[in-house]
Amino acid sequence: SAVISQKPSRDICQRGTSLTIQCQVDSQVTMMFWYRQQPGQSLTLIATANQGSEATYESGFVIDKFPISRPNLTFSTLTVSNMSPEDSSIYLCSVGWGNNEQFFGPGTRLTVL
Amino acid sequence: DAKTTQPPSMDCAEGRAANLPCNHSTISGNEYVYWYRQIHSQGPQYIIHGLKNNETNEMASLIITEDRKSSTLILPHATLRDTAVYYCIVRAMNRDDKIIFGKGTRLHILP
Repeated sequence: SAVISQKPSRDICQRGTSLTIQCQVDSQVTMMFWYRQQPGQSLTLIATANQGSEATYESGFVIDKFPISRPNLTFSTLTVSNMSPEDSSIYLCSVGWGNNEQFFGPGTRLTVL
Repeated sequence: DAKTTQPPSMDCAEGRAANLPCNHSTISGNEYVYWYRQIHSQGPQYIIHGLKNNETNEMASLIITEDRKSSTLILPHATLRDTAVYYCIVRAMNRDDKIIFGKGTRLHILP
């Protein structure tokens, strides 16, 4: 298993600003993913964070809006850029080894005013 | 798009078995059936997965039909803490495969 922490746990931000969310894992993992969960909805995959290369984005998500870094096998960041109220969501980091279970962090609850 | 269909909500009395159905009629031979649940305000939690045989662990049992087009997650003795959204997911077992969530089933355990 893996212990995943996210910072911040929640934040309230102003329109037009950016927020960087950190994901830290207690062991080296092969795969790291970022998901978004809008109020009352299921989880939507934003991108796969690749170590040492650019993230792989899902349809509807672009690097300019959601830049992602993954400098090593235990850490990743997701930035939500130029925020609008529609970006108010829970953002979740997820990790795995590409062979079995996938573990999820506690999430970052973002409110954009 | 999600490859599974689940009822949007279900009720179950505390102490009884909760049986959550899932249809995955387009499942491929190399795809597994996974179940996750999300308790309010928490990240999703892995429950169980299987390929074609029935599986059991300390949390639940997974029954997969012989044609693999549907499955049932069984919580043998539901408690109030089992109230959550349960997601049935079809996923290939390889290094690059990611989890795509459907809408899930909101399970209410009634006292």
